[in-house]
Amino acid sequence: GAVVSQHPSRVICKSGTSVKIECRSLDFQATTMFWYRQFPKQSLMLMATSNEGSKATYEQGVEKDKFLINHASLTLSTLTVTSAHPEDSSFYICSARETGYTEAFFGQGTRLTVV
Amino acid sequence: TQLLEQSPQFLSIQEGENLTVYCNSSSVFSSLQWYRQEPGEGPVLLVTVVTGGEVKKLKRLTFQFGDARKDSSLHITAAQPGDTGLYLCAGEYRPQGGSEKLVFGKGTKLTVNP
Repeated sequence: GAVVSQHPSRVICKSGTSVKIECRSLDFQATTMFWYRQFPKQSLMLMATSNEGSKATYEQGVEKDKFLINHASLTLSTLTVTSAHPEDSSFYICSARETGYTEAFFGQGTRLTVV
Repeated sequence: TQLLEQSPQFLSIQEGENLTVYCNSSSVFSSLQWYRQEPGEGPVLLVTVVTGGEVKKLKRLTFQFGDARKDSSLHITAAQPGDTGLYLCAGEYRPQGGSEKLVFGKGTKLTVNP
């Protein structure tokens, strides 16, 4: 299957700082990338859909000014958690889908801990 | 809102037993995907079913998509300890005026004891 690389895998940051998470499709071009959030023992919740070259579409209840998404190329999308707070601590996962294909492939996830 | 109800939430069985995980919805999906997720990692795609009534087999795993494309099941035959993990179903749909997206079930935490 296609490979999606997410970086970093773990990050600890101080409250009030910003953290950037990268999602790269390594062997295909991803017109669309998705960002999810997963709390312990819960399922994945879609935060936003990122389309290359256009603004991201955020799900209801997700603050677009807090979770900045940039999809500048067909192989890279970034999620920046701005002014992070302890309640933002979670497991963030990206997925990418190649144009014309149904399957989306997931990155390894990023464990964010805000202290 | 598209919802997927997945059951059971937890399942602990002995090696060699068979099991079935269910994924149900009142909504129709264009496709349904099954993933397996290990702790601290992203989900790994197992299979995609697209056609109503479709059955796909992956070694000891059998996946079925309901005729109406509203439900799906995952059956594991002769479970092994290596099957232990979190199994997630995800339905693909296109909201009105929007782009396609996946909605996930809450997952089934399977433990296969040796």
